[in-house]
Amino acid sequence: AQSVTQLGSHVSVSEGALVLLRCNYSSSVPPYLFWYVQYPNQGLQLLLKYTTGATLVKGINGFEAEFKKSETSFHLTKPSAHMSDAAEYFCAVSDPVTGGGNKLTFGTGTQLKVEL
Amino acid sequence: GAVVSQHPSWVICKSGTSVKIECRSLDFQATTMFWYRQFPKQSLMLMATSNEGSKATYEQGVEKDKFLINHASLTLSTLTVTSAHPEDSSFYICSAAGLYEQYFGPGTRLTVT
Repeated sequence: AQSVTQLGSHVSVSEGALVLLRCNYSSSVPPYLFWYVQYPNQGLQLLLKYTTGATLVKGINGFEAEFKKSETSFHLTKPSAHMSDAAEYFCAVSDPVTGGGNKLTFGTGTQLKVEL
Repeated sequence: GAVVSQHPSWVICKSGTSVKIECRSLDFQATTMFWYRQFPKQSLMLMATSNEGSKATYEQGVEKDKFLINHASLTLSTLTVTSAHPEDSSFYICSAAGLYEQYFGPGTRLTVT
C-alpha cells in the first residue's frame, strides 16, 4: 500500500523567501508523484508531476520538485514566494503499474502562508 | 490540460431530500472518473471510482446506497446523495482520469439544513 507524508501542516514564509514544502512517500515501487494546489472553495490544480526521466521537475508558477529515490522524497520548492502563493498544497502518489490516471493517494496537505 | 466541470458549484438542500451532482469532462473522453469528499481543513478522501458502463467501485466505509454514482457516458458521471443529512454537508470534488494524471473539477459545496 502507498502512503504520503507531508511534514508541516502549516508553513509560513515571508514574501520573497524560499518556499520548501516537504513530501515523503512509501511505495513498493517508484510511484508517479504529483503536487497540487488548492485555493479556497476551488478544486485542485496540478503544479507539476514526475512520471519518468529527469528527476528535477519544473512546474507552473515557478515551482519545482526533485524526485529523490534514495530519500523517498518529492519536496516542492520555489525560490521566491509571492503573496498569491498562499494556498493549500497537496502531495499525491499513484501506482505506475496501474497508470498515472488511476487512484491517487493524497498527503494531508500543507497550508502555505505568505507574509509581507 | 483537460477541462472538467461540475454542476452545481454549490447547493443547499433540506434534510431528507436527494441531490445530484454532475461531473463532465469537456474536451476528452474519460473512461474512469473519481469522486472525492473533502471536509474543512482536511485532505481529499476518495469515495468511489466510476467506470463508464459499469458499476462504481466504492471505498471502504462509503455507503453505496447513499451515494449513488452513475457513469452513463464517457463525458458524464453523476453523484446522487440520497436522503441527505447535515453530516453529508461537505465539498465534493470529481476528477477524470487521463493517461498520466487526473484532471479535477472545481468542486461542489453541499450544505444540508
